[in-house]
Amino acid sequence: QSVLTQPPSVSGAPGQRVTISCTGSSSNIGAGHDVHWYQHLPGTAPKLLIHGNSNRPSGVPDRFSGSKSDTSASLAITGLQAEDEANYYCQSYDSSLSHWVFGGGTKLTVL
Amino acid sequence: QVQLQESGPGLVKPSETLSLTCTVSGDSVSSVSYYWSWIRQPPGEELEWIGHIYVSGTTNYNPSLKSRVTISLDTSENQFFLNLTSVTAADTAVYYCAVKPFIGSYYDGWFDPWGQGTLVTVSS
Repeated sequence: QSVLTQPPSVSGAPGQRVTISCTGSSSNIGAGHDVHWYQHLPGTAPKLLIHGNSNRPSGVPDRFSGSKSDTSASLAITGLQAEDEANYYCQSYDSSLSHWVFGGGTKLTVL
Repeated sequence: QVQLQESGPGLVKPSETLSLTCTVSGDSVSSVSYYWSWIRQPPGEELEWIGHIYVSGTTNYNPSLKSRVTISLDTSENQFFLNLTSVTAADTAVYYCAVKPFIGSYYDGWFDPWGQGTLVTVSS
């Protein structure tokens, strides 16, 4: 059971908007710890998409956006493209466990 | 821009020690700007933070692995290392090295960049 819960999969057609949720608890997201998001294609290095809940590193398209509220966070992808098909992970810090934690990952399929 | 590359044996026998190297380019492991980190992902499971080291030698480990993990660094070779003792099949995973920037809140850090990972299988 992941400390941060994500849906196993989401899908959308090219051009559409999808959101990926990340649900935590009072010891991580609800404690005020930031949430970060990564995009990962198997066999490659995971890529930072969003840091500090909603900040995009340079080079990340503005089609990707993040938000956080209470004990959960969301990653939104607008204008879906075939190249967005990948696994997406959220990450935060858990004060009870005393270490950084990741969500179980969400596989995005572009139909 | 920091770049990372993991290396090490792809097969380790049960009860032995898993040893991996992360070679850093584009910056120095002596930099005060980063925590040098290890993260793993067992097949079909979630990512798990293993631990990190700072240039001062200060380390921080996942409590669930702390008794078996050692992370060290070699400034002359610009590398940092992971040693995991007494491995079992449960330690089979893709192991990543990554960088946690030394900025803002220590607890709210992220990992960027990552190496592409190396698969380590524990089997006799």
